[in-house]
Amino acid sequence: EPEVTQTPSHQVTQMGQEVILRCVPISNHLYFYWYRQILGQKVEFLVSFYNNEISEKSEIFDDQFSVERPDGSNFTLKIRSTKLEDSAMYFCASSERQVGHQETQYFGPGTRLLVL
Amino acid sequence: KQEVTQIPAALSVPEGENLVLNCSFTDSAIYNLQWFRQDPGKGLTSLLLIQSSQREQTSGRLNASLDKSSGRSTLYIAASQPGDSATYLCAVTMNSGYSTLTFGKGTMLLVSP
Repeated sequence: EPEVTQTPSHQVTQMGQEVILRCVPISNHLYFYWYRQILGQKVEFLVSFYNNEISEKSEIFDDQFSVERPDGSNFTLKIRSTKLEDSAMYFCASSERQVGHQETQYFGPGTRLLVL
Repeated sequence: KQEVTQIPAALSVPEGENLVLNCSFTDSAIYNLQWFRQDPGKGLTSLLLIQSSQREQTSGRLNASLDKSSGRSTLYIAASQPGDSATYLCAVTMNSGYSTLTFGKGTMLLVSP
């Protein structure tokens, strides 16, 4: 069964460093998402992406964050200058059509980011 | 702003029991509601999706109901098994047409043999 994959599974970085989290969505999916979950907290929406541009973003997704689909398979989340509070599990998800059209989002296993 | 609340936060039951997990949301103008399962350190697996026009959805031993007007959903698990142990998350999508999922904090379920 097709699945969303994410790399790396864990990343430790120093505050102020740039990190890039990578995701390979399901191949025929057109909508891509990033969510994060701070330890013990709710899963929070960050950004959605369609047709090579951001379709929606949350208040969390500030200028330190960016997303890109550099080729036909990868979808990346970049954090330019990490802060301690960026430590979280980051989930990538994809859907064939927009969720409002009865399509569910398929989630990857997540990347656990620890900022020291 | 939509808020999703799940009760209880944690639940421990012996194998074989039927159980109910609760989800409530503050803004009833939802498009759909989904129940997810999250295993420790893992991603989220969609279990059931209920459109706002539907009252319930069933998949195997799972049954999810939706009362949109009162802002409530329940997930019923029949004949629970140790393999059902996980955190169960409820999430809603609004009528705005955007795809944003708003999650509850989840119910951590432990089913003991």
